[in-house]
Amino acid sequence: GAGVSQSPSNKVTEKGKDVELRCDPISGHTALYWYRQSLGQGLEFLIYFQGNSAPDKSGLPSDRFSAERTGGSVSTLTIQRTQQEDSAVYLCASSPATSGSGELFFGEGSRLTVL
Amino acid sequence: AQTVTQSQPEMSVQEAETVTLSCTYDTSENNYYLFWYKQPPSRQMILVIRQEAYKQQNATENRFSVNFQKAAKSFSLKISDSQLGDTAMYFCAFMTYNAGNMLTFGGGTRLMVKP
Repeated sequence: GAGVSQSPSNKVTEKGKDVELRCDPISGHTALYWYRQSLGQGLEFLIYFQGNSAPDKSGLPSDRFSAERTGGSVSTLTIQRTQQEDSAVYLCASSPATSGSGELFFGEGSRLTVL
Repeated sequence: AQTVTQSQPEMSVQEAETVTLSCTYDTSENNYYLFWYKQPPSRQMILVIRQEAYKQQNATENRFSVNFQKAAKSFSLKISDSQLGDTAMYFCAFMTYNAGNMLTFGGGTRLMVKP
């Protein structure tokens, strides 16, 4: 597609359930980022993929969070045993390369609500 | 570690007037980029303007301009002739050179443009 696509747009789940959030980056973009935006807050970095390199997982808040990127394209963020504090908007972004331009192309996010 | 601070959680401005959003940052790096991103109600963030630290000239992009004070570590955004479509969250962001487009975001400022 023309832009970064994320699904689902909204997800409501019960505490303790696992959820998967999907990101489809812009075709040809080698870098992919996941950020978390809690209500009224800034963006918290979660994880970064660049090509075939090992991902930078330094922002993942706990071992309940994991992400993978298959074939250098689509990425899935998985949250296991969800907690109420996981409620947030999860934003995915991609960029053409580590060009240093700083321009990330964002999706519209997946809003997760944990009851 | 870098930190980015936006001290104005919310601001409002009358249509056609000028507004300035504040941002300060803390870093020991000498070479870096600064950015302002806009997040409208649709949630999709877009890049508004970018400034390279080695450039003394302030960046401008149509109605958007910055006041970059490197010594003071200040990076404010001025929006001239405010339009209703400027209503959004605005995030200041920082990136060091060769950081793989890894951005550190401030907490955001919610701007309301009133008719």
